[in-house]
Amino acid sequence: ETGVTQTPRHLVMGMTNKKSLKCEQHLGHNAMYWYKQSAKKPLELMFVYSLEERVENNSVPSRFSPECPNSSHLFLHLHTLQPEDSALYLCASSRDRVEQYFGPGTRLTVT
Amino acid sequence: KNEVEQSPQNLTAQEGEFITINCSYSVGISALHWLQQHPGGGIVSLFMLSSGKKKHGRLIATINIQEKHSSLHITASHPRDSAVYICAPQRGSNYKLTFGKGTLLTVNP
Repeated sequence: ETGVTQTPRHLVMGMTNKKSLKCEQHLGHNAMYWYKQSAKKPLELMFVYSLEERVENNSVPSRFSPECPNSSHLFLHLHTLQPEDSALYLCASSRDRVEQYFGPGTRLTVT
Repeated sequence: KNEVEQSPQNLTAQEGEFITINCSYSVGISALHWLQQHPGGGIVSLFMLSSGKKKHGRLIATINIQEKHSSLHITASHPRDSAVYICAPQRGSNYKLTFGKGTLLTVNP
């Protein structure tokens, strides 16, 4: 149990669908992150929120839309995705800029 | 040139062997993270270090800031250590980590 949960764990969606990924942390952290991990590629940072403000946006296409309503919750809203967006999406949290705690990930398949 | 280079990319060992995974990076950093990723995707943070050496159980991480190099050592390796080990330098006061491609370790019984 890492204290960071993600739902759903697996998601299959068509290119015209709209879905959302959810991340929740119960560690009292003040920063939350979305990462993408494609097959045979290093982890890529997508977004960082610190104290509910977005502080990093790593040139991510607008079909990915993050939302951080409070310091415990982070969402990634998905719409009109492409097959190349199929990947493992990982959420993480940290207290300031120190050690990050990762969730189990959502395995996304876009058909 | 990648900012982060890990070696080896793949490593197979027999149970009980001493394991070393290396990480070299090309930019100045404030800290370096070592992460472990098991099949299925879950990632665990093993170490965050900015100088010297840290030890947790059978795992030891060292860093040489001047040489821009870090190593992760596993003593008395065990099949449950089989995973991908990822090096991730962190620059300055930035939130962003730069990730290596990972080293796939397989420990056979």
